[in-house]
Amino acid sequence: GENVEQHPSTLSVQEGDSAVIKCTYSDSASNYFPWYKQELGKGPQLIIDIRSNVGEKKDQRIAVTLNKTAKHFSLHITETQPEDSAVYFCAAKTPGTYKYIFGTGTRLKVLA
Amino acid sequence: DAGVIQSPRHEVTEMGQEVTLRCKPISGHDYLFWYRQTMMRGLELLIYFNNNVPIDDSGMPEDRFSAKMPNASFSTLKIQPSEPRDSAVYFCASSFDRVVTEAFFGQGTRLTVV
Repeated sequence: GENVEQHPSTLSVQEGDSAVIKCTYSDSASNYFPWYKQELGKGPQLIIDIRSNVGEKKDQRIAVTLNKTAKHFSLHITETQPEDSAVYFCAAKTPGTYKYIFGTGTRLKVLA
Repeated sequence: DAGVIQSPRHEVTEMGQEVTLRCKPISGHDYLFWYRQTMMRGLELLIYFNNNVPIDDSGMPEDRFSAKMPNASFSTLKIQPSEPRDSAVYFCASSFDRVVTEAFFGQGTRLTVV
C-alpha cells in the first residue's frame, strides 16, 4: 500500500522567511496530494492540493510542487507570518480508493 | 453548512468502560472516514464508509473497535472495552464521491482512558 514520508518533523523560521516541507510517496499510481494545516485543538483543514497532471500550483503565499518521477512533493510558504504556526500534513490518495494516507506532520513555528 | 460535527469534544473514561464517539458528516457527502491521531503514529485511517457501507476497515486496531453508519447523517465509533493505549484524538472526516476531492475534518474527540 501507499506510504508517505514527511520531513522535517519540526521547523522554525523567522517571520518573513520562507518555509519548505517535503514529502515522498511510494505508490506511483497516487494522483491527488493535499496539504492540511492543523491548529491547536482543531481538525486538519485543507490549504492547497495538487493533482498528478500538474507540476506546480500556487495560492498567494503558499505553493506546492510535484515531481512524479521522483515521487515527491513539497509545500512552500513565503513571507511567513506568526499565524502560519501550526502542524502541516501532506497526504496522498491512490485511484480506485478513497483512502488518504497522511505523512507524520511538520510542526512549523514562525518566530516574531 | 456547519461542517463535520463530532461529539463529545472530550471524553475521559476508566479502563474497561465502553466509549462511543459520534459524527455527523456534511450533508450530501458520500464518504465518511474515522482517523486516530497520536504523537507516535500520526494520523491513522481506521475505517471508511461509502453510502453508509463500510468499505475498508483494515485500520481498525482490534476487535474492541467497531464502527457503524446507520444512515447518511450519522456514524459512531465504539471501543469496548477501552484501554489506556486507546487514548488519542479521534477525527471524523467526510467527502464527496468525486475522482479527486478534499476530505473535511471535524474538530475531533480527545479520548483519555485512565
